[in-house]
Amino acid sequence: SQTIHQWPATLVQPVGSPLSLECTVEGTSNPNLYWYRQAAGRGLQLLFYSVGIGQISSEVPQNLSASRPQDRQFILSSKKLLLSDSGFYLCAWYTALNTEAFFGQGTRLTVV
Amino acid sequence: AQSVTQLGSHVSVSEGALVLLRCNYSSSVPPYLFWYVQYPNQGLQLLLKYTTGATLVKGINGFEAEFKKSETSFHLTKPSAHMSDAAEYFCAVRTHGYNKLIFGAGTRLAVHP
Repeated sequence: SQTIHQWPATLVQPVGSPLSLECTVEGTSNPNLYWYRQAAGRGLQLLFYSVGIGQISSEVPQNLSASRPQDRQFILSSKKLLLSDSGFYLCAWYTALNTEAFFGQGTRLTVV
Repeated sequence: AQSVTQLGSHVSVSEGALVLLRCNYSSSVPPYLFWYVQYPNQGLQLLLKYTTGATLVKGINGFEAEFKKSETSFHLTKPSAHMSDAAEYFCAVRTHGYNKLIFGAGTRLAVHP
């Protein structure tokens, strides 16, 4: 069966520090991968998506970047965090065999 | 471009009452439509989905939704609310062959005794 792992679950980082959040999927091949951010009262904002290794589409200009070094690995990064980067980050995937997306458990990021 | 509008950021019902969460979408081609539920500090869990075929779809936990093309709506209902239904609910749209899954702003459902 397919599973998605996202870590860490919680993270507290100072302003100006770097960030690396990792998401991996097991049990499937060539998934579409997504990073969403959920800020309080603002729903789910699509940040990045990827349809293949090295292929990244950015949805909003921001302080973050994404990379897909392997088929089932998706990384969200920042060189210098801002206070406004705080939020709940969710990774998701789907393939042509599914119609719905499957979500990880999320990372709660607090920038202080 | 696709978009989703959820009417009402907060909905409060009594236990045993009807739950109605509203969702309207915008899509230039026939969409795939989804309802997800999120409990505090957790990821999203699929409640139900519409792809093709029957426009009334049933999901988990007694929820159902009806796709109405003429109204561009996909409202979520449950005949009788339980306390355990208290959560945040998200409507989402994706167009067949299109890679982006777009969510509404969410509706927080409160259920009181």
